[in-house]
Amino acid sequence: SAVISQKPSRDICQRGTSLTIQCQVDSQVTMMFWYRQQPGQSLTLIATANQGSEATYESGFVIDKFPISRPNLTFSTLTVSNMSPEDSSIYLCSVETGGSYEQYFGPGTRLTVT
Amino acid sequence: AQKITQTQPGMFVQEKEAVTLDCTYDTSDQSYGLFWYKQPSSGEMIFLIYQGSYDEQNATEGRYSLNFQKARKSANLVISASQLGDSAMYFCAMREGGGNYQLIWGAGTKLIIKP
Repeated sequence: SAVISQKPSRDICQRGTSLTIQCQVDSQVTMMFWYRQQPGQSLTLIATANQGSEATYESGFVIDKFPISRPNLTFSTLTVSNMSPEDSSIYLCSVETGGSYEQYFGPGTRLTVT
Repeated sequence: AQKITQTQPGMFVQEKEAVTLDCTYDTSDQSYGLFWYKQPSSGEMIFLIYQGSYDEQNATEGRYSLNFQKARKSANLVISASQLGDSAMYFCAMREGGGNYQLIWGAGTKLIIKP
């Protein structure tokens, strides 16, 4: 398994601003994932972040809106840029540890945009 | 077509009873994996149990078991002796083969345990 922390745990932001969410893992992992969960919905994958390469974005998500950094094997950031109320969601990072198929999730960042 | 279907938006169950949460899936891959996650109101996603498509035995983890019926393409989660702390959203997810790490998620089932 893996222990994952996220900062901040929650935030209230004004529209037009940006927020950077940090994800820290207690072990080195190759693959990290960023998800969005809108209120009352299931999870939607934003992008896959591998260390040493550009993040791979899913349909409907673009780098200008959700830039991702992955500077090493234990850390990643997701920025939500030029926020609007529609960006109000829980943002979760997850990792897949080597040798198992499970994905482990961080505690999530609950974002409210006013 | 939906790849993961959870037909129960919500369920109420009496404490100490067993609970079965339904999940059906659709894939043409021979190699795939099925997952169940729990999401309490706090928002974290907690991994519960995993079943590989080639696993012959149903997966079990403590009070959780996965009733895997491959021919029916179903992967129901069974919680034995439910507790008040089991109240949460439960999500079924699938990962298809071919080196694809993406999880495909169901819509979730909201489980409420009554005292």
